[in-house]
Amino acid sequence: DGGITQSPKYLFRKEGQNVTLSCEQNLNHDAMYWYRQDPGQGLRLIYYSQIVNDFQKGDIAEGYSVSREKKESFPLTVTSAQKNPTAFYLCASAQNPAVGGIGNEQFFGPGTRLTVL
Amino acid sequence: AQKITQTQPGMFVQEKEAVTLDCTYDTSDQSYGLFWYKQPSSGEMIFLIYQGSYDEQNATEGRYSLNFQKARKSANLVISASQLGDSAMYFCAIGSWGKFQFGAGTQVVVTP
Repeated sequence: DGGITQSPKYLFRKEGQNVTLSCEQNLNHDAMYWYRQDPGQGLRLIYYSQIVNDFQKGDIAEGYSVSREKKESFPLTVTSAQKNPTAFYLCASAQNPAVGGIGNEQFFGPGTRLTVL
Repeated sequence: AQKITQTQPGMFVQEKEAVTLDCTYDTSDQSYGLFWYKQPSSGEMIFLIYQGSYDEQNATEGRYSLNFQKARKSANLVISASQLGDSAMYFCAIGSWGKFQFGAGTQVVVTP
C-alpha cells in the first residue's frame, strides 16, 4: 500500500534533549512537508523540501532542523532550542507541481504527538 | 504571500441537514488551488475536495461541493445530508506550486 508513515506515534522528551521524528513515503512524491499543530489550532509550516538535498524554512523553523538525503525520507529534529515543542507534528508529501500542476493535494501521515516532560 | 481565513470556529448541525463552511483567501498568485481537508479526533488529515483557480465549474465530490467565487476570493465548502461521522475539524488550504497555507479550521459537530 502506498502512503506516508510517521514514527513514533507518541514521543516523550525531557527538557534539553534533541529528538528526531521519522517520516517516510512510498508515493514517489518529490515534495515533503512538516507541520506543527497545537490544540484547537491550524497547521503551521515548519520546513518543506521540493527536491532531494534541498529544503526551505517555513513559518516557524526556529528550533527545528531537517534533512532530505533520500526522496522517501524527511526526518525532523526538534532541538533543545525549541522552547515549547509539545505539539502534534504532521508530515505530508505531494507530487511535484511541475508534473501535475497546481492541483496536487498533499497526502498526510498519521502524525506524532510530542510531549516534553 | 498567501492567507486563508476561516471565520467560524465551531458549528452545530443536525443530522441530514446541509452545512456551509466559510473560507476566504488572499493571494498574489495567478494560478492556485483551493483544498479542503477533514481532521477527525484521531488526528489524520483526510483530503476532501479541490478547486483550481481557473476551473469555471464548482467542484463536487459525493456529498461535498465547493462554492467557488473567485472575484470575492471565497471557497466555501458545502456538506449535504450531514452524517454523525462528519463531526470533525475542517481546514481550508490554498496551494500554489508546491507551497500550502492552511486556515485555522472550523469544528463541526453533527447532532442526532
